[in-house]
Amino acid sequence: EPEVTQTPSHQVTQMGQEVILRCVPISNHLYFYWYRQILGQKVEFLVSFYNNEISEKSEIFDDQFSVERPDGSNFTLKIRSTKLEDSAMYFCASSEGGQVNQPQHFGDGTRLSIL
Amino acid sequence: QQQVKQSPQSLIVQKGGISIINCAYENTAFDYFPWYQQFPGKGPALLIAIRPDVSEKKEGRFTISFNKSAKQFSLHIMDSQPGDSATYFCAARRKTSGSRLTFGEGTQLTVNP
Repeated sequence: EPEVTQTPSHQVTQMGQEVILRCVPISNHLYFYWYRQILGQKVEFLVSFYNNEISEKSEIFDDQFSVERPDGSNFTLKIRSTKLEDSAMYFCASSEGGQVNQPQHFGDGTRLSIL
Repeated sequence: QQQVKQSPQSLIVQKGGISIINCAYENTAFDYFPWYQQFPGKGPALLIAIRPDVSEKKEGRFTISFNKSAKQFSLHIMDSQPGDSATYFCAARRKTSGSRLTFGEGTQLTVNP
C-alpha cells in the first residue's frame, strides 16, 4: 500500500537555526498538508497546499514557516530561526483530491527537538 | 467555534469489553467526521468516518454514532482487544475543498488482556 514518507525521523537543531523537514506524498495525490503535535497535545493544522500554492494556513503558520514543492515528488516545510517552542512532531499528509470525504493519509512524522 | 472537544482523556477496558469515546463540536459548517488511530511512533491512520446525513456507520468492530442536533459523535469499539490499545483522535472537516482537519484532544485507550 502506498504511503507518505517523511525524513528525517528525528532532527535535533540549535535554537535560531533553520530546519527543513521533507515529505514524499503518495504519488497520485494532489493535496498536501503539514500538521504538528506538541508532546501530549492534540494534532494541529499548519498549512495545506494545492497546485503549487498555499490554499489554507493556520494562525501558527507565520512568517517563520514556508512550504515548497521543489520537484514532482517532494514537499518540504522550512522553519527559519527556530525557537524552543517549535519542538514537536511534524506530520505530513496528502490526499488524492480536495473533497471533504477524501481521506488524508499521514506519514510517521519527524520529531523536531530544538536545543 | 473551530474546536472539537473529546473525552475521556484516557480509558482502560478489559479484553472483550466495549470502548466508548465521545466528541462534541460547535461549528455547523463541519461536514465530515473521521476517527484516527495512532500507535506510538506512528502517524495518525484513518479508522472510520461519517457524514452528518447518517446517524450511524459500522465497520467491523468499530461504529460511529452521530447526533446532528446535539452536535456530538462517538466511537464504539466492540469486543475490544489488546491490539486496539492506541491513542484515538476524533476530527472534523468543513466542506471546502482541501480543508483542514480539526482534531480533538485524543483518548489513550488501554485494553487489558
